[in-house]
Amino acid sequence: GAVVSQHPSWVICKSGTSVKIECRSLDFQATTMFWYRQFPKQSLMLMATSNEGSKATYEQGVEKDKFLINHASLTLSTLTVTSAHPEDSSFYICSASESASLVDEQYFGPGTRLTVT
Amino acid sequence: GIQVEQSPPDLILQEGANSTLRCNFSDSVNNLQWFHQNPWGQLINLFYIPSGTKQNGRLSATTVATERYSLLYISSSQTTDSGVYFCAVRSGSYQLTFGKGTKLSVIP
Repeated sequence: GAVVSQHPSWVICKSGTSVKIECRSLDFQATTMFWYRQFPKQSLMLMATSNEGSKATYEQGVEKDKFLINHASLTLSTLTVTSAHPEDSSFYICSASESASLVDEQYFGPGTRLTVT
Repeated sequence: GIQVEQSPPDLILQEGANSTLRCNFSDSVNNLQWFHQNPWGQLINLFYIPSGTKQNGRLSATTVATERYSLLYISSSQTTDSGVYFCAVRSGSYQLTFGKGTKLSVIP
């Protein structure tokens, strides 16, 4: 089956620094990638949708200058949390799809747990 | 924005039992998805089902868009079905909104 990896699986950083999270599709070409955020013991929030080679589409209320998303190739998308603060601590999950259609399956990465001290 | 309510919030089942999870939403939707998150945090998307009925093995889902609800059926539950089931909806171009989930525990 399709595999999506995320790196790192967990990261601790100091307030004010930036953190980059990578999402890779290992055995298929990801036309579309999605980034989600999950607060501890809470529900999920879709942050943005990105298509290879174009700018990401951010959901309402998500700061695009704070959460920089780059989908540079058909196998790699990155999320950079800029000037991180403790309230950015969360579980970040990416998913990838071979098409732009929601009818097709999304394959999820294992998530990255970010702790900002 | 659109409101999403999932019920029940918690469900404990004996292995082999069947269950029905419900997702109510407050507005018309053009996107409805069901997801499963296992106890280790791994997500799987189960169905994209803004209307109609779909089946995949022991799981099936039905969305009655006119009455603003969706149901997820799990038959012959297994311990691997444990985890949290999320419903997510989008109305027009508004944000994709997730429900708070139903936590399912299947005991052997």
